[in-house]
Amino acid sequence: DTGVSQDPRHKITKRGQNVTFRCDPISEHNRLYWYRQTLGQGPEFLTYFQNEAQLEKSRLLSDRFSAERPKGSFSTLEIQRTEQGDSAMYLCASSPPAGIFYEQYFGPGTRLTVT
Amino acid sequence: AQKITQTQPGMFVQEKEAVTLDCTYDTSDPSYGLFWYKQPSSGEMIFLIYQGSYDQQNATEGRYSLNFQKARKSANLVISASQLGDSAMYFCAMREGLETGNQFYFGTGTSLTVIP
Repeated sequence: DTGVSQDPRHKITKRGQNVTFRCDPISEHNRLYWYRQTLGQGPEFLTYFQNEAQLEKSRLLSDRFSAERPKGSFSTLEIQRTEQGDSAMYLCASSPPAGIFYEQYFGPGTRLTVT
Repeated sequence: AQKITQTQPGMFVQEKEAVTLDCTYDTSDPSYGLFWYKQPSSGEMIFLIYQGSYDQQNATEGRYSLNFQKARKSANLVISASQLGDSAMYFCAMREGLETGNQFYFGTGTSLTVIP
């Protein structure tokens, strides 16, 4: 197993363009998270999937952001009409089906730069 | 109010010495979990250690231990025998409502530098 993968690793886009990121979790993991991390800050929760269902979404998440996990495997995060404030590292994490405790396994992230 | 507070933006420690990274948390939920992650300059978040709110003993994992003081709502990370490879950002995180909640809250991190 190669762990959580994210694609692309880096993305430079012009303001107003749409971008889409992909996350492939560890194969047996049914839980998937998206986070945003800006310089000097900790990861900020964006959304959570259990299998294909999007169960939680941050209230801070603009409606320009949408995420899907259509078959309960890989997930995509789309940002429409990007703004300079969207520049950040976007992290994906997955967790196995478990009881009370489960750790998150993070991917390497996608660094977005909006010019 | 911040869910997780890390008051040390940067810390220095001599190689082979021990260091404590501070973390306080805020929750009214009796069921929660506390986590520490390491983020090297490469950017990938690495899980280090976990403490559940009902755990009676402090968690330990190799050179990492978690000093859990429930009444003070603190969950400090202790790294013993520091190594040069320990230089990284360290994040404290919490998940509330372990039976139902799924959102993790992270602190702002502490940058640790190990001096040879």
